[in-house]
Amino acid sequence: GAVVSQHPSWVICKSGTSVKIECRSLDFQATTMFWYRQFPKQSLMLMATSNEGSKATYEQGVEKDKFLINHASLTLSTLTVTSAHPEDSSFYICSVAHPGKLFFGSGTQLSVL
Amino acid sequence: EDQVTQSPEALRLQEGESSSLNCSYTVSGLRGLFWYRQDPGKGPEFLFTLYSAGEEKEKERLKATLTKKESFLHITAPKPEDSATYLCAVQALENTDKLIFGTGTRLQVFP
Repeated sequence: GAVVSQHPSWVICKSGTSVKIECRSLDFQATTMFWYRQFPKQSLMLMATSNEGSKATYEQGVEKDKFLINHASLTLSTLTVTSAHPEDSSFYICSVAHPGKLFFGSGTQLSVL
Repeated sequence: EDQVTQSPEALRLQEGESSSLNCSYTVSGLRGLFWYRQDPGKGPEFLFTLYSAGEEKEKERLKATLTKKESFLHITAPKPEDSATYLCAVQALENTDKLIFGTGTRLQVFP
């Protein structure tokens, strides 16, 4: 299956700062990547679909200006949480669309103090 | 609205005690149903994709089946290393690659 690398694994930041999370598809050229968010003991909620070379498509209720997504190449998508607040603390996971399935990164645990 | 419901929320098994996890779904048109395993603090690990009613897939102690309304993940003679959260997700015909997840079943297998 596709290998997806996500970095960093965890990050702690102060309220008001911005945090960037990287998602790389190591062995597959991904025109589409997805960003999910997961709260403790809850399911994965799709935040946005990242399309290479074009604007991301955000799910209803997800703030575009707060969660900036850039998919500049076929192997890299980034999610930037701008002006983070404690309520943004969560587990963020990216995934790569591969024919017939999605492969996921290892996730990033964000804690905003 | 497309929806996925998993049961039970949590399951505790003795090593060797076989059981089944349920995934009920409603979707306008099913493109595929997916099973993933997720360990704490990790991303989901792909297990199976099922596409049509009657289809079955196996991997080691796991076997997934699919009907028109639900899917089962059967675990035969589980071992402690099978302890994880098992997630079910569906992909609708009109939503290319987008997955809708259930809340998962947290499985604990005790020696």
